[in-house]
Amino acid sequence: EAGVAQSPRYKIIEKRQSVAFWCNPISGHATLYWYQQILGQGPKLLIQFQNNGVVDDSQLPKDRFSAERLKGVDSTLKIQPAKLEDSAVYLCASSSQRSYGYTFGSGTRLTVV
Amino acid sequence: AQRVTQPEKLLSVFKGAPVELKCNYSYSGSPELFWYVQYSRQRLQLLLRHISRESIKGFTADLNKGETSFHLKKPFAQEEDSAMYYCALQPFSGNTGKLIFGQGTTLQVKP
Repeated sequence: EAGVAQSPRYKIIEKRQSVAFWCNPISGHATLYWYQQILGQGPKLLIQFQNNGVVDDSQLPKDRFSAERLKGVDSTLKIQPAKLEDSAVYLCASSSQRSYGYTFGSGTRLTVV
Repeated sequence: AQRVTQPEKLLSVFKGAPVELKCNYSYSGSPELFWYVQYSRQRLQLLLRHISRESIKGFTADLNKGETSFHLKKPFAQEEDSAMYYCALQPFSGNTGKLIFGQGTTLQVKP
């Protein structure tokens, strides 16, 4: 099966600019997650979708981050405006009830300068 | 509070030596626990899950609810085991649900 696709792989922006990341999960996976991984730390959940509904966004900084999953398939994560502390790898993952464990994408490495 | 602690940032062993990667968790209920691994230039991937009680690539992990630990062990380390290892806790049962990760331990297996 195809894996979780993410783009872009790398992005460098200046602070206060906006940026968007895209994720295409494994076909048939109803649950999609966005994680933020700051250098030297483990991944931290930003938002979880079940189909196109939000299950958990308690750790999403909603004043600057937004995410959507239209039609319950692809998802985009946006940051506007970016801060220096947003520099991190943004990981997308998907999972289903039929198989255990997440499947992660390669991630997008964001550098805010 | 729900938390996963991996006390060692780096563990360096020689090939053939036993390995134990430590993981302690804080959670009031009965969590599901996992080990994920990230090899160089590869994606984060599931290594094993406590509920399966299986051995993957020679690794095993036993859940000790009394000590709230889920240490990862392998009797004889191989060079290809060198990677970053993350312990993760899922507060809710089932195959979907958020994971809370530890900070990770880099395992370096020297020849």
